[in-house]
Amino acid sequence: DAKTTQPTSMDCAEGRAANLPCNHSTISGNEYVYWYRQIHSQGPQYIIHGLKNNETNEMASLIITEDRKSSTLILPHATLRDTAVYYCIPSNSNSGYALNFGKGTSLLVTP
Amino acid sequence: GAVVSQHPSWVICKSGTSVKIECRSLDFQATTMFWYRQFPKQSLMLMATSNEGSKATYEQGVEKDKFLINHASLTLSTLTVTSAHPEDSSFYICSARDNGRNQETQYFGPGTRLLVL
Repeated sequence: DAKTTQPTSMDCAEGRAANLPCNHSTISGNEYVYWYRQIHSQGPQYIIHGLKNNETNEMASLIITEDRKSSTLILPHATLRDTAVYYCIPSNSNSGYALNFGKGTSLLVTP
Repeated sequence: GAVVSQHPSWVICKSGTSVKIECRSLDFQATTMFWYRQFPKQSLMLMATSNEGSKATYEQGVEKDKFLINHASLTLSTLTVTSAHPEDSSFYICSARDNGRNQETQYFGPGTRLLVL
C-alpha cells in the first residue's frame, strides 16, 4: 500500500475554504485516492475519491497533481460541523479496496 | 443512499462471554464488507474482509477463532467476539462496498462500542 503524509492538524476560519494536503508519492498507477473524515466517536464518512482527474461533489473538491504524487481536498466554505479528522487513503482492487487508515489531519474550524 | 447500520450501538458484557455485532447495508447490496477496530486516540485498524458466501480474510495478528465473521447475505455481516476480555474493549466499525454503481467505494456504519468488564 502507498504511504501517505498529512499535516497532523490544521485550523480554518468558518466560511473560509479549507485546503487539506496529502502526499502519496509511492501511489501505484491503479490506486484511487480516497478521502474520508471521522467526527468524534462516529464511523468514518465518505467524502470523495479520484484516480487521475479532479473531482467535485456536493461536499468537496479533490485536486490530484498530474504526477499523482499528491492531492488536496478542498472544503469550499468550512462550517463548524466540518471539524473532524480527515484521512487521505490510496487503495485499489488488489486489496479489495480495503482502507489502511493513517493518522490523518485533525481539522478545527473556528468561529 | 448508501446507509450502513450497526447493532447494537454499544454493549457492556462480562469477561468470558461472547458478543455479536451486526452490520447491515440498508439500501444497497454488498458482496464485500470490512470490519475495523479503533482504540482510544488511535486510528482505525482493519481486522478482516468479509465476502458473502465465503470465509473471511483476516489481517495479520487478528485471531480468526476469537473474532468470528459470518456474511450470510448480501446485506448482513456479523462479528462475534468470543470469550471477550477487557483488552477487547474497543470501538468496532464495519463498512460495506456497494455492488452497484460505486463498486470501489465503501460506506461505514456508526460503530459499536464494546466494554468488557
